[in-house]
Parts: sequence; C-alpha cells; structure tokens
Amino acid sequence: SQQGEEDPQALSIQEGENATMNCSYKTSINNLQWYRQNSGRGLVHLILIRSNEREKHSGRLRVTLDTSKKSSSLLITASRAADTASYFCATDSTGGFKTIFGAGTRLFVKA
Amino acid sequence: DTEVTQTPKHLVMGMTNKKSLKCEQHMGHRAMYWYKQKAKKPPELMFVYSYEKLSINESVPSRFSPECPNSSLLNLHLHALQPEDSALYLCASSPEHTGELFFGEGSRLTVL
Repeated sequence: SQQGEEDPQALSIQEGENATMNCSYKTSINNLQWYRQNSGRGLVHLILIRSNEREKHSGRLRVTLDTSKKSSSLLITASRAADTASYFCATDSTGGFKTIFGAGTRLFVKA
Repeated sequence: DTEVTQTPKHLVMGMTNKKSLKCEQHMGHRAMYWYKQKAKKPPELMFVYSYEKLSINESVPSRFSPECPNSSLLNLHLHALQPEDSALYLCASSPEHTGELFFGEGSRLTVL
C-alpha cells in the first residue's frame, strides 16, 4: 500500500534553477527519507530526517518535515542536468520494518 | 563493501518455468527486503527478512517464494508466474529494521 503522495508528478526546469518536491503521508512515522532513481536503475538514498527534526541539509539538498501536517519537502538548489531522475519520499512507520514509498516526482533538468 | 548485488540483471521466463532471483550483501546488515516496481510506479514492498527470519509478507501470491539461506543472501523463487508479474525486482538491505535502505540495481523480469 502506498503511504505517501508526492507533487508535482513531473517537473521540468532549466539548469541552475531550484527544484522543489513535496510529499504527504498518512500515518505516524519514525523517519522520512528521500531517494533518487535513474531510469531503470536501483534507488539511491539521499537524506533521512527523523520525526523530531524539522530541517536537514546535505550539500545542495534541503529537506523539511512538518509532522503536524504530515508533509515533507525536498529542495534541490542550483540544479544540474545530472539531477534528472525520479525522486521518491519513503516513510518508516513507528513499528519499523516497513519502508513505504510515495508515488514519486520525475524531474527533468534541461541543459 | 557497500554494495548490494543482484543477479541476473535480466530474466525472461515462460509461465511454466521455475527460476530464482538472487541478492547478496556483505555489509553485515540484518534486514533484507524484496520490492517490486512497475514502470513509472514506486517500489512496492513484498517481503522483509530480519535476522534471517521472514518478518513481513505483504500478501504476496504464493508463486513468489522468498528464502534467506544466511545473513548475506536473499533469494526469490519464481514459479508459474503471470505476464502481469513482469517488473523490476529490487533487493535492499539495511543495518537495522528502520533507516536507510541500500538497493541493488534490480533484476528486470519479463514473463511471456
């Protein structure tokens, strides 16, 4: 079953612009993670934010978490063509073991 | 070694065949996962093994049979599959039962 919903479903931007993706989820969580997937490949973990954190940075990535609204956002600054990929949020429920993925956002960065 | 290795990369099988997908990790992770991913869809959780024991089966049809022979290996045995089972099958592992997942590159399965 799908835990998170993401918007937009697809995003097309110019190189150098910022890209923002949003994720909403339904149940209580331990943490929320963001993953990237290049076409037909495995997923790569980008960043994890715990339920007691509100914001986290890693390089050009900034993630926010609002547990009262059950939502998160991923900001990629100064995007590059190599950032073209699908991005998924994923949540671990408070019981653990289950990491459930949202629908994903397909990002296309034009050079 | 921070890799999860999946074999084969591609598999074509008929509906009467029996085949297996294999996954291996040498990171000492105690949890291992199988996900199924259809085109332009998110990965869907199938099975979770924790300390070599099956912890979660997400109501997966019995034509998919997981096996965890030891802490480094995870198999997915396939039998009497349907064409709609064609998908990318992803294996993942994690140090604990929550947190970052390390994914393999997947096995692309086509059922004829």
